[in-house]
Amino acid sequence: DAKTTQPPSMDCAEGRAANLPCNHSTISGNEYVYWYRQIHSQGPQYIIHGLKNNETNEMASLIITEDRKSSTLILPHATLRDTAVYYCIVRAQNSGGSNYKLTFGKGTLLTVNP
Amino acid sequence: DGGITQSPKYLFRKEGQNVTLSCEQNLNHDAMYWYRQDPGQGLRLIYYSQIVNDFQKGDIAEGYSVSREKKESFPLTVTSAQKNPTAFYLCASSATLYYGYTFGSGTRLTVV
Repeated sequence: DAKTTQPPSMDCAEGRAANLPCNHSTISGNEYVYWYRQIHSQGPQYIIHGLKNNETNEMASLIITEDRKSSTLILPHATLRDTAVYYCIVRAQNSGGSNYKLTFGKGTLLTVNP
Repeated sequence: DGGITQSPKYLFRKEGQNVTLSCEQNLNHDAMYWYRQDPGQGLRLIYYSQIVNDFQKGDIAEGYSVSREKKESFPLTVTSAQKNPTAFYLCASSATLYYGYTFGSGTRLTVV
């Protein structure tokens, strides 16, 4: 898997948009960008994933740069319940070897403040 | 509702004892995984199973064993050979190896 770089922590005011950056400068053409989050002492939760185009679902939006070397996860209206560690992961969707693995780094601790 | 159930949520064992952590899923997923998480760290893969009666070592398999006799179940045994067993253990499943994962709520194991 390509390595990702995320800031260790970020703060956001409740009700404002939270923009979480991720650098993946060595991403390959067949690798997707996945985002998961982990609320304290719970299992990680899938948020969104994408390949090239921007993606949006009920939880968040994913903006991927044209060169695919970085991406931003956007939580449009952050709430206190969004306080969690957010993991950015790149992984090939269909390939052999060990590329099936989701490799979780330390992620970004997002703290939403009242 | 479909999901993954890990039990128990908290587990205490004496040093030198083997302990088995349960993981059951009703999502009809073929692939299942065990991860370990230490405080302030990311998740590390212990074992994974692509299909029933098949499993492979992950990055930190030493001191652990698994079985996959049923599609729904993927129990993890932490043996006495595991030098630092105290950790948060997470089970996950996916439709195949290349789909997104659904995680259980975890088991926090403390060995004293």
